[in-house]
Amino acid sequence: AQSVTQLDSQVPVFEEAPVELRCNYSSSVSVYLFWYVQYPNQGLQLLLKYLSGSTLVKGINGFEAEFNKSQTSFHLRKPSVHISDTAEYFCAVSDRETSGSRLTFGEGTQLTVNP
Amino acid sequence: KAGVTQTPRYLIKTRGQQVTLSCSPISGHRSVSWYQQTPGQGLQFLFEYFSETQRNKGNFPGRFSGRQFSNSRSEMNVSTLELGDSALYLCASSLAGVRSGNTIYFGEGSWLTVV
Repeated sequence: AQSVTQLDSQVPVFEEAPVELRCNYSSSVSVYLFWYVQYPNQGLQLLLKYLSGSTLVKGINGFEAEFNKSQTSFHLRKPSVHISDTAEYFCAVSDRETSGSRLTFGEGTQLTVNP
Repeated sequence: KAGVTQTPRYLIKTRGQQVTLSCSPISGHRSVSWYQQTPGQGLQFLFEYFSETQRNKGNFPGRFSGRQFSNSRSEMNVSTLELGDSALYLCASSLAGVRSGNTIYFGEGSWLTVV
């Protein structure tokens, strides 16, 4: 079984400031890692995913994340945020060993970008 | 290319009733998953169907059921509704699953309110 912990439930930042949203995971098997974003009254949109290879993953809208196996972390970063980045962000994992599309999500981090 | 389509978007039901939600995956996608999102429990996996067979199942009572048709469209049913079933129900589709490296795409969800 897997579990995901998003260390901050709310992150307020000013526009054009850098931001880091933290995600730690626990699993007895190897995992795939994901970050999704959810805008108000909408579904989830994939920002980026780590399947294998380079531990630094670049996604859409200028976001990137780094997979750290020893620390079991997958933190999301953006060097300069915009008002439009205000949304809830979810970290998720999936078991590499079994087939299927089952994702285990963290509780989410509400990012609020202030002018 | 049309995205994942869920109907209805909003509905209100009374305790004890049953409800059926529908999901049309992206054309060509054979895997359909369902998730429940609530403020208290977050995003929780319900079940996944692949080629009309249930491939994975979450920890929900038997009142929650689903099925997939030969055209990959899926329905989920909740019987004997309880107040705690009020949630956003999200459908997700992928070509064949995460293990194949496929992206999982989410619909905008069906908002269910039980009164």
